[in-house]
Amino acid sequence: EAQVTQNPRYLITVTGKKLTVTCSQNMNHEYMSWYRQDPGLGLRQIYYSMNVEVTDKGDVPEGYKVSRKEKRNFPLILESPSPNQTSLYFCASSLDRGDSPLHFGNGTRLTVT
Amino acid sequence: KNQVEQSPQSLIILEGKNCTLQCNYTVSPFSNLRWYKQDTGRGPVSLTIMTFSENTKSNGRYTATLDADTKQSSLHITASQLSDSASYICVVSAVGSGTYKYIFGTGTRLKVLA
Repeated sequence: EAQVTQNPRYLITVTGKKLTVTCSQNMNHEYMSWYRQDPGLGLRQIYYSMNVEVTDKGDVPEGYKVSRKEKRNFPLILESPSPNQTSLYFCASSLDRGDSPLHFGNGTRLTVT
Repeated sequence: KNQVEQSPQSLIILEGKNCTLQCNYTVSPFSNLRWYKQDTGRGPVSLTIMTFSENTKSNGRYTATLDADTKQSSLHITASQLSDSASYICVVSAVGSGTYKYIFGTGTRLKVLA
């Protein structure tokens, strides 16, 4: 089944403890991206990647890192999480950055205390 | 500033009724406009994608329209079902010098009652 898989679904951590949220897609998509969704603000793009070893900042990249060493994986890294990074995170992929639909994972709810 | 505004914020209708959701955008340069459905606790799922030259696109009981002159789009749901209860998100793609951005609306939360 074609899908985008994020892990974990839920994560509670403390300020400053490094964490990684994994994202994997099995559709051979070139484009992958990360978003955060906060009440009243809609989805905001954190980082995106056009292909392997090609990443770029979205609208809210501060406090996050990403890597794209393989086409299928696009992990999101929080080196030193802070409470303002408490949010619902989505990974998405698409065939290209043209008119192809974005396929989203089911989200990771992160709480930083 | 690129912006996508949706109305209403929330809507309650009875099963079997029709409804229309609105999306106004100020995005330049425009590439395409998308509607997504997001069930509670799940990722958004694509309903329609329309380019500049398309003014109507259907996906089952969902019909999206686009007026590129007035920069408005609507999503019409026909004969609503309980499973239509979800948030509906309008997304506009903008292509710029070497960048490709998605600008998301904050969504309309639809509740369908039996």
